[in-house]
Amino acid sequence: DAKTTQPTSMDCAEGRAANLPCNHSTISGNEYVYWYRQIHSQGPQYIIHGLKNNETNEMASLIITEDRKSSTLILPHATLRDTAVYYCIVRVVRLIDAGGTSYGKLTFGQGTILTVHP
Amino acid sequence: DADVTQTPRNRITKTGKRIMLECSQTKGHDRMYWYRQDPGLGLRLIYYSFDVKDINKGEISDGYSVSRQAQAKFSLSLESAIPNQTALYFCATSDALIGSGANVLTFGAGSRLTVL
Repeated sequence: DAKTTQPTSMDCAEGRAANLPCNHSTISGNEYVYWYRQIHSQGPQYIIHGLKNNETNEMASLIITEDRKSSTLILPHATLRDTAVYYCIVRVVRLIDAGGTSYGKLTFGQGTILTVHP
Repeated sequence: DADVTQTPRNRITKTGKRIMLECSQTKGHDRMYWYRQDPGLGLRLIYYSFDVKDINKGEISDGYSVSRQAQAKFSLSLESAIPNQTALYFCATSDALIGSGANVLTFGAGSRLTVL
């Protein structure tokens, strides 16, 4: 799986957009980008994932560059409750479930500590 | 009620004791996982199970065992706990869908274990 690089920490003002970058320059064509977050000592929470196209859901938007070597998670209107560690994970997905050995074995790195200030 | 429930939430025990952490889920997912989290080390996979008859070792299975009692239940055991097993343990589930959604994990709230 491709390695990811994220800033150690970021700050954001409440109500402003939080833009969290992730570098995955060695990503291959069949690898998706996943984002999770973990609020202090709680279980990680899935946010969003994508392959090539930009994605948006009720939580966030994911912008993937055309060369797919980097991506940005956008929280459009950050709140204090968005303070958490954000993990960017790149993971291959097989089209055929050949025993499923690739599924769920997500490698969580250090992530970015996002602090949202009042 | 939570989709993935872990018990106990907190446990303090002594070296050499047997400990079981339990996980149950109402998601109807086939796949279940146990991770541990240590400060500064992210989450590491201990064991995973893709159905009731399937158990697989993860990155750090030594000193641990698991049991998949039913589709909804997956327990983690420490036969003889040692202090370096002090950590935050998470259970997770995922659907068996083929494709990108199979890497979407739902986590429990965690079980904090302290081994003295």
